[in-house]
Amino acid sequence: EDQVTQSPEALRLQEGESSSLNCSYTVSGLRGLFWYRQDPGKGPEFLFTLYSAGEEKEKERLKATLTKKESFLHITAPKPEDSATYLCAVQPYGGATNKLIFGTGTLLAVQP
Amino acid sequence: DAGITQSPRYKITETGRQVTLMCHQTWSHSYMFWYRQDLGHGLRLIYYSAAADITDKGEVPDGYVVSRSKTENFPLTLESATRSQTSVYFCASSSPARPEAFFGQGTRLTVV
Repeated sequence: EDQVTQSPEALRLQEGESSSLNCSYTVSGLRGLFWYRQDPGKGPEFLFTLYSAGEEKEKERLKATLTKKESFLHITAPKPEDSATYLCAVQPYGGATNKLIFGTGTLLAVQP
Repeated sequence: DAGITQSPRYKITETGRQVTLMCHQTWSHSYMFWYRQDLGHGLRLIYYSAAADITDKGEVPDGYVVSRSKTENFPLTLESATRSQTSVYFCASSSPARPEAFFGQGTRLTVV
């Protein structure tokens, strides 16, 4: 069964304190792995797509990496405005559906 | 404005009533999705559609009905609302060329 597990469930950082969020996945065949950011009361906002092991994507203070079993979202020198829930999702191969399977997310709080 | 819009943003309904949540996208994306988001469960797929007049069940379809007569619209109907359907509902869309999904702002539904 295709599955996504994110850890930790919640993370509190001081401003400037770098850290990483983990996304472990089990999927029969990976078409893509996705990271989203979700602010309270809003829909998920797309951040990155990763397609193959070894791939990396960067955007401002965020960098996403991918291995054959997991992905990391590295946050360098975070600011309070980086506080949000970060969601990881996978898209399996098989069928023309574009379905995404989501993890339960990591709630990040960055304190000034 | 281009994008994906959901209506209403908030809805309170009584047990047993029928309620329809609306979703409209302006990108002409072929794929559309309905997810529900609950604490501890993350985003779970209810129904999806690969094109107009083509729909299929997701992970949690019971109690829901969808239709897609036009590419841009994908309404979700709760035929007889139950308290367990109290949730935040998100509509999303994507294209075959780019697998990442783009989400609406969500509808917070409360069944009393």
